[in-house]
Amino acid sequence: SQLAEENPWALSVHEGESVTVNCSYKTSITALQWYRQKSGEGPAQLILIRSNEREKRNGRLRATLDTSSQSSSLSITATRCEDTAVYFCATASSGSWQLIFGSGTQLTVMP
Amino acid sequence: GALVYQYPRRTICKSGTSMRMECQAVGFQATSVAWYRQSPQKTFELIALSTVNSAIKYEQNFTQEKFPISHPNLSFSSMTVLNAYLEDRGLYLCGAGNSAETLYFGSGTRLTVL
Repeated sequence: SQLAEENPWALSVHEGESVTVNCSYKTSITALQWYRQKSGEGPAQLILIRSNEREKRNGRLRATLDTSSQSSSLSITATRCEDTAVYFCATASSGSWQLIFGSGTQLTVMP
Repeated sequence: GALVYQYPRRTICKSGTSMRMECQAVGFQATSVAWYRQSPQKTFELIALSTVNSAIKYEQNFTQEKFPISHPNLSFSSMTVLNAYLEDRGLYLCGAGNSAETLYFGSGTRLTVL
């Protein structure tokens, strides 16, 4: 099974609404990253949250991390059509270069 | 800002032939380059990690004989897919940076094998 997994698999919202994507992971981590991948592009890092942090914000984005339940969430407020993309969480372990990506959540923001 | 360019953006090759893809870091120096393959189902596989002046580390199921990598300096890396077959198709992503926490990805090279 996946070492990192987002849920739901896909969701759709209307512009202006808020949305939350969840991630669960199975390894010991030093940090968790949220990436966004738009169609035809590579993944772009949105937020990095370290294992000793509980919350991190970046503009309309807010990430939380709960190491006890090995879960994270990414919330987007006031969504825009350009937020349409696949959202991935990725984890990294101490001393490892391996980024373990989840399978992604396809977010569609409709006008 | 930090940018990573990959080329070609897409390529089609006949089964059994080889193709080379390149990765260029612009605006920053990347001590390491991680090559990933993203499947049509969007899952990521790490192929190898290349660090300047160090041996290239290949992940399980990927070998130097199949995916030779060149990383001559802090801004350029190339990888070749030798004897490509259907199972090699996907989006090959180059992530350049100085740690796993600061990887900048290119847009990828999409490989189609006929």
